[in-house]
Amino acid sequence: AQSVTQLDSQVPVFEEAPVELRCNYSSSVSVYLFWYVQYPNQGLQLLLKYLSGSTLVESINGFEAEFNKSQTSFHLRKPSVHISDTAEYFCAVSTYTDKLIFGTGTRLQVFP
Amino acid sequence: DAGVIQSPRHEVTEMGQEVTLRCKPISGHNSLFWYRQTMMRGLELLIYFNNNVPIDDSGMPEDRFSAKMPNASFSTLKIQPSEPRDSAVYFCASSYAGGQGTGELFFGEGSRLTVL
Repeated sequence: AQSVTQLDSQVPVFEEAPVELRCNYSSSVSVYLFWYVQYPNQGLQLLLKYLSGSTLVESINGFEAEFNKSQTSFHLRKPSVHISDTAEYFCAVSTYTDKLIFGTGTRLQVFP
Repeated sequence: DAGVIQSPRHEVTEMGQEVTLRCKPISGHNSLFWYRQTMMRGLELLIYFNNNVPIDDSGMPEDRFSAKMPNASFSTLKIQPSEPRDSAVYFCASSYAGGQGTGELFFGEGSRLTVL
């Protein structure tokens, strides 16, 4: 069975500072990895994904994540955050069977 | 294109009443998922369907919960009788599993259920 651990439940940061949201997974088979973002009172939206190929993946709004197989990690980073990045971020893992397992989420709070 | 559509967006009911949540997935998607989100338990997968067939309902909390997918464009999640601990936001999501799961889900905006 697969599992996902998000080590930080909340991450406060000032605007324009860098941020890293940590995610570790456990699986005995090859996985696909995802980050989803949830803004207040909305559903989850896909931020970025790793399926295969380059281990570094990027989103259109400046986030990136690197798949590290040896450390079973898929940490999310952004070099300079904005107020509008305030949201809850979920790491997720799936396998060939398409069942997606989510972590418990990390609330990113960006302060001016 | 229309996304995943859920109704109602908000539901307030009294303990013991029946609750029915509805979902219309994205046209062409063949997998549908029901999730429940609470502060205490986070995001939990309740059940998912592939080609209208329930594949995994191990997350359904108890017999009071049931889900159906009579056709490719409609699904319901029913709670009968409802209890205060069922209060949560229920999300429906859909995806296209074209023979190789990639897990990219498209979520609706959720149905916020409050059971008094």
